[in-house]
Amino acid sequence: AQRVTQPEKLLSVFKGAPVELKCNYSYSGSPELFWYVQYSRQRLQLLLRHISRESIKGFTADLNKGETSFHLKKPFAQEEDSAMYYCALSGPGSARQLTFGSGTQLTVLP
Amino acid sequence: DVKVTQSSRYLVKRTGEKVFLECVQDMDHENMFWYRQDPGLGLRLIYFSYDVKMKEKGDIPEGYSVSREKKERFSLILESASTNQTSMYLCASRPHQGINSPLHFGNGTRLTVT
Repeated sequence: AQRVTQPEKLLSVFKGAPVELKCNYSYSGSPELFWYVQYSRQRLQLLLRHISRESIKGFTADLNKGETSFHLKKPFAQEEDSAMYYCALSGPGSARQLTFGSGTQLTVLP
Repeated sequence: DVKVTQSSRYLVKRTGEKVFLECVQDMDHENMFWYRQDPGLGLRLIYFSYDVKMKEKGDIPEGYSVSREKKERFSLILESASTNQTSMYLCASRPHQGINSPLHFGNGTRLTVT
């Protein structure tokens, strides 16, 4: 069975500090991984996906198959980054349904 | 821009009531999903559908059923609401084609069962 683990429920950093949100997964096949974000009073939305190898809002995430990790990183956190972040893994099912982690609430302090 | 609309933002129901949560998407997506979102537990998949009249159980289907009579509409039904079904319910859709295509979420329905 596939599983996504986000070990930190809460994470606080100061503005300008680096931030890393951890995500580990277990999956027997070739994983498709995503980070979703939910800002206060907004709907959940895609932040980035591993296959695109993109940087969105200064965030990057590298898939490490050896460590089965997909940590989200940003070198200099901003107050507007405060949000709930979810790591998700796409399965092989008929609808390629996503399995989500439990989420990390990031607070960037002034 | 994809729009996923959930008919109610807030609902308060009594234990034992039958509850319908409605979701409509306007982008002709084949796949639709119902998740519940609880603090500390993240999003858990209740049911999903990959085509009209097709449905499959997710990770926590007990106490729920779904209906997909039209491609754009996916309904979640609580046959007899219980207090442990108090939660935020999120509907999402996604096209069949396109590897890594993202999920598009609705705004959510916060259901309270008293």
